[in-house]
Amino acid sequence: QQQVKQSPQSLIVQKGGIPIINCAYENTAFDYFPWYQQFPGKGPALLIAIRPDVSEKKEGRFTISFNKSAKQFSLHIMDSQPGDSATYFCAASRDAGNMLTFGGGTRLMVKP
Amino acid sequence: ETGVTQSPTHLIKTRGQQVTLRCSSQSGHNTVSWYQQALGQGPQFIFQYYREEENGRGNFPPRFSGLQFPNYSSELNVNALELDDSALYLCASSPFGTGAHEQYFGPGTRLTVT
Repeated sequence: QQQVKQSPQSLIVQKGGIPIINCAYENTAFDYFPWYQQFPGKGPALLIAIRPDVSEKKEGRFTISFNKSAKQFSLHIMDSQPGDSATYFCAASRDAGNMLTFGGGTRLMVKP
Repeated sequence: ETGVTQSPTHLIKTRGQQVTLRCSSQSGHNTVSWYQQALGQGPQFIFQYYREEENGRGNFPPRFSGLQFPNYSSELNVNALELDDSALYLCASSPFGTGAHEQYFGPGTRLTVT
């Protein structure tokens, strides 16, 4: 099973809030889990990624939490800003394949 | 440092025609992957090229084909275009030594098939 399920489809938060986007996967062979940010008319930009041997990774205002037993991972955006308004995609890949399997995306709006 | 570039930015084709999309990978990158992104959806993997050979393919028919050149740039060719081929086509390149896990995307080519 190659599917990655992402929720919610859309999310609205106030400036300074902490939006949380969740993803779940089935394939236990996945061993690399990146998050991408995409603005309208642009390609996805790599934000942060995690391997299953750690439970959390922080880069700036972005944090990934990873739960290997539940096969779930999530993105938290601290102190969100209107400039963070974009579509966010989780993805997963495995060593042997290298293809990225993407979730369906979450459209985030951060209100001023 | 120049990132991944793609050309053209957008184009319009008629059903049944053929199209070639181009991608220049980022400096220091040797693997190129192509994705199709339909409106409102996540990107879908088409195929990947490494050392000028196809290195993995997603669930796309043979009329989707590609090439990688010695300078690591790449082309995506689509024959016998169908209306459902209308999408944003994304190219991503990966740095040497990362096993193609880290993929950096270009801005995409918006293809409209009428």
